[in-house]
This record gives sequence, C-alpha cells and structure tokens, in this order.
Amino acid sequence: KAGVTQTPRYLIKTRGQQVTLSCSPISGHRSVSWYQQTPGQGLQFLFEYFSETQRNKGNFPGRFSGRQFSNSRSEMNVSTLELGDSALYLCASSQGQGYGYTFGSGTRLTVV
Amino acid sequence: QQQVKQSPQSLIVQKGGISIINCAYENTAFDYFPWYQQFPGKGPALLIAIRPDVSEKKEGRFTISFNKSAKQFSLHIMDSQPGDSATYFCAASIYGGATNKLIFGTGTLLAVQP
Repeated sequence: KAGVTQTPRYLIKTRGQQVTLSCSPISGHRSVSWYQQTPGQGLQFLFEYFSETQRNKGNFPGRFSGRQFSNSRSEMNVSTLELGDSALYLCASSQGQGYGYTFGSGTRLTVV
Repeated sequence: QQQVKQSPQSLIVQKGGISIINCAYENTAFDYFPWYQQFPGKGPALLIAIRPDVSEKKEGRFTISFNKSAKQFSLHIMDSQPGDSATYFCAASIYGGATNKLIFGTGTLLAVQP
C-alpha cells in the first residue's frame, strides 16, 4: 500500500513569490491535514480537510490556504512568501475520526 | 490550555538502557495520546498511542504510561538500540471529535550510544 506522497520534496522560492505544494493521501483515506515544522516552533497545525471540506484551520495568516479534491488529493498554497515561511511542510492522511495519522516525508521549502 | 509540554529536550542513553520521555497536557478534553518517531529527512511515524481508559500500553520495547489525574503520559523505550536514535514527539487530540487536529509536544532528540 503506497504511503502519503508529497511533491515536490524540495523547493527554493524567492521572497514575495507564491508556492503550491501537493499531497496524495493513502488510498481510501478521506482526511488530510497539513503541518508546518520548524526548529523554533516545532510542529504546528495548518489545516484539516475531510471530503473536500475544511474542518479546522490553525493560527496562520490568510496567505496560507489549502483545498482538497474529490479524489482526496490536497494542495496547500502560500502566497507572498516571507523568509519565515521556510520550513518542512508535512501532509498527513487518515481514514477519518478516531483513526491515527500517517505522515508523508514532507516538502522542504526554502525562501530566499 | 492547548499546549503539550514535553521533556527532556534531548536525551543520551547507552545501548541496552531505558529511555524515558515525559509529556504533560492541560486540556482535559484530550483523550487520544500518540507518540511519533521522526528520523532526519522523514515525516513523523506513529509509534504507539493510548487512550485514557488504560494506564499502560506496551508494544514490543515501547511502553506508554498514562496518569489521568496528573494529566501526564510518558514513553519508555526498553533495551534502547542505536537504531532508536531519532526525535520523538508526543501529541494529543480529541478522539472521534469533529477534528483530528493533533497538538504536538516540542520533541525529544534521543541518541543511543553503542
């Protein structure tokens, strides 16, 4: 069974640009969540989607957005990139409420 | 109230020893407590999880101890091996709630010396 796939693995962007990250969950998993991981802040929840609906959103500015498609694949977008957005962005999928999460290997975003 | 406090920040253990990592939470609504293991360049992987209806759960060399009244839980790694060297995160969430949002601890970098 394939795991959670995140693309791309590495990304370098310039301040002010925008970026889109992609996540393909495990087949059959309808819940997808995104987390930001940095050395200073640790793992911070970004958003959670279930059946194309955003169920929860973390405490991040509106520059961070996401969506989920009918096949459960998800994308997150960050507009007007700032240096502080440099982080490992992790996607996790789950069968739904009460089930554990499986994380992907993440996308390492560097903003220069 | 949403925080999960984790200690120690780093830990060095000799091969064969016991590694112990502790976490504490405030929100009494939390009722699902997983532990994740993360190796460099990889995402966190679910190691073991516990719900408050039991005080201890063991899977192989990994044991979670849970103290509901103290709002604390800990991970014990018995017979620690160099391959266990990784960063460990505790987390908490509301099981079966409207959201699966996980609140993570700050992580513990474990080094097991041969």
